[in-house]
Amino acid sequence: DGGITQSPKYLFRKEGQNVTLSCEQNLNHDAMYWYRQDPGQGLRLIYYSQIVNDFQKGDIAEGYSVSREKKESFPLTVTSAQKNPTAFYLCASKGNTEAFFGQGTRLTVV
Amino acid sequence: AQSVTQLDSQVPVFEEAPVELRCNYSSSVSVYLFWYVQYPNQGLQLLLKYLSGSTLVKGINGFEAEFNKSQTSFHLRKPSVHISDTAEYFCAVSGQLGGSYIPTFGRGTSLIVHP
Repeated sequence: DGGITQSPKYLFRKEGQNVTLSCEQNLNHDAMYWYRQDPGQGLRLIYYSQIVNDFQKGDIAEGYSVSREKKESFPLTVTSAQKNPTAFYLCASKGNTEAFFGQGTRLTVV
Repeated sequence: AQSVTQLDSQVPVFEEAPVELRCNYSSSVSVYLFWYVQYPNQGLQLLLKYLSGSTLVKGINGFEAEFNKSQTSFHLRKPSVHISDTAEYFCAVSGQLGGSYIPTFGRGTSLIVHP
């Protein structure tokens, strides 16, 4: 079945470490997005990509980096510069109208 | 710029009662409107969408929403809720910004259905 796969589902990071969250889609969508979700704050846009080898910063890009080397893949790296990385991260892709979401990755700093 | 305001952070309701979750949006361009549902520790699932045409749209699980352009609203309704409808609901708008349709989400409304 077509869809979006995020891995891992749970991730623990020590302070000062970089971690990479995986997002893969087989929906043949050009556009992909990363959102961060915190309680009571909804979804905030981190980065987005409209096409392979191109991506743009969203509203809260500081401390994050992305790449888009393949249409199917849009990994997110949470760097040590992100001061408060504990959150639920959602990846999405979009065709002509609505966005489709993965199941999310919950990142916890320990 | 575009934005979405969900007027209620939490809506408690008894089982089999009707419910309305409110959503207002602002945008300088034409928009598509969406409602998504999220269960704990899961991604978002599309409930319904308005693209054009009839202002009353029906979605899954018995939900419906009405687009009101003059009031810039897109309220979600269900005539009789079930315990299983307890979840977080997000309203979203997608308009054209710099050539890209970027989905923008509200802060969410937590629907709590009591027996």
